[in-house]
Amino acid sequence: SAVISQKPSRDICQRGTSLTIQCQVDSQVTMMFWYRQQPGQSLTLIATANQGSEATYESGFVIDKFPISRPNLTFSTLTVSNMSPEDSSIYLCSVRITDTQYFGPGTRLTVL
Amino acid sequence: AQSVTQLGSHVSVSEGALVLLRCNYSSSVPPYLFWYVQYPNQGLQLLLKYTTGATLVKGINGFEAEFKKSETSFHLTKPSAHMSDAAEYFCAVSVGFSGGYNKLIFGAGTRLAVHP
Repeated sequence: SAVISQKPSRDICQRGTSLTIQCQVDSQVTMMFWYRQQPGQSLTLIATANQGSEATYESGFVIDKFPISRPNLTFSTLTVSNMSPEDSSIYLCSVRITDTQYFGPGTRLTVL
Repeated sequence: AQSVTQLGSHVSVSEGALVLLRCNYSSSVPPYLFWYVQYPNQGLQLLLKYTTGATLVKGINGFEAEFKKSETSFHLTKPSAHMSDAAEYFCAVSVGFSGGYNKLIFGAGTRLAVHP
């Protein structure tokens, strides 16, 4: 398995601003993922982030809104840009180790 | 395309009673199947997984699940519920990992309540 940490754990932001979420893993991993969990909903994959290549976004998610960095094998960031109240969600990063994905604790974002 | 259906968005059981959370999947190829648990204000924790081999898999906290290909099901059970089992449970499916990787598809989740 892996130990995954996220910063911040929660935040309250104003409409129109941006927030960058950090994800740190205690081991080197090739594949990292970012998910969104809207209130009372299941998880939806935003993008896959592999070190050394551009992130791959799922349908309905675009790089201008959710830019992702993956500078090394233990770290990634997700930025939520030009936020609106509809972006209020829990954002989770996960890593793939062999055949299993492991998840971080999540970042709870509220946009006013 | 793969999909997951969890029957029952809310399940309530008495402490000590059997827990049964239902999951059916759709996949054109042999799936990998997972159950995750999410406690309030926390991330997802892996409960158990089926990849290949034995169809009855045991996980943490006394949970187990059985892969039934003929029924396309992967139901989660626990013989005796504890108050600490109250949480949201997610079933997920992914197609095999050799070569390329297919994303994890989650069900809608089942909220388990345990009452005294």
